[in-house]
Amino acid sequence: GAGVSQTPSNKVTEKGKYVELRCDPISGHTALYWYRQSLGQGPEFLIYFQGTGAADDSGLPNDRFFAVRPEGSVSTLKIQRTERGDSAVYLCASSLAPSSSTDTQYFGPGTRLTVL
Amino acid sequence: DQQVKQNSPSLSVQEGRISILNCDYTNSMFDYFLWYKKYPAEGPTFLISISSIKDKNEDGRFTVFLNKSAKHLSLHIVPSQPGDSAVYFCAASSDRGSTLGRLYFGRGTQLTVWP
Repeated sequence: GAGVSQTPSNKVTEKGKYVELRCDPISGHTALYWYRQSLGQGPEFLIYFQGTGAADDSGLPNDRFFAVRPEGSVSTLKIQRTERGDSAVYLCASSLAPSSSTDTQYFGPGTRLTVL
Repeated sequence: DQQVKQNSPSLSVQEGRISILNCDYTNSMFDYFLWYKKYPAEGPTFLISISSIKDKNEDGRFTVFLNKSAKHLSLHIVPSQPGDSAVYFCAASSDRGSTLGRLYFGRGTQLTVWP
């Protein structure tokens, strides 16, 4: 079946602009995660959804970052007033859930965000 | 602070030989450990995992060893193949507390298998 998909694959924007990144999880997966991978680093947790609600958003770096999952499937990560330091690959993952540490997370290909 | 550490950024191994990738962690609450493999322009792909109640898990050419007292795990690939060339990420998670579901990743090790 289809894996996790993310759009766009690449996004170039100017400092101060607003961007939206989309994630389509594997069908039937109720847990959805966002991670950010900066150059030379491993993926870093941002937020975790169980169904429609954010079960853990403690990884969001500041209030410019926000994510939604209104119908419990597709999720959108929103970044306001982008800064050059936001440049990274944003990864989305989903798992079958209810989440436990043994649920395998399946990752999408990521969106490469570049803020000029 | 980096709770999962991969201190070798790169490893080069000849085809047919064993590749050993190492990972250390600092948080004693971690009870599940995973290895992901990543090719360029793709997302990480799950490779193998191990629960903290075990010290070894094997899947074909891949074996993960866990030493809880040393807070150390390793991934053995034998025999190594050129198609194994990728970045390998070590990750850890905990079923306890508020961080349920969150994976903590190391910085990755670039494995190159040459013919």
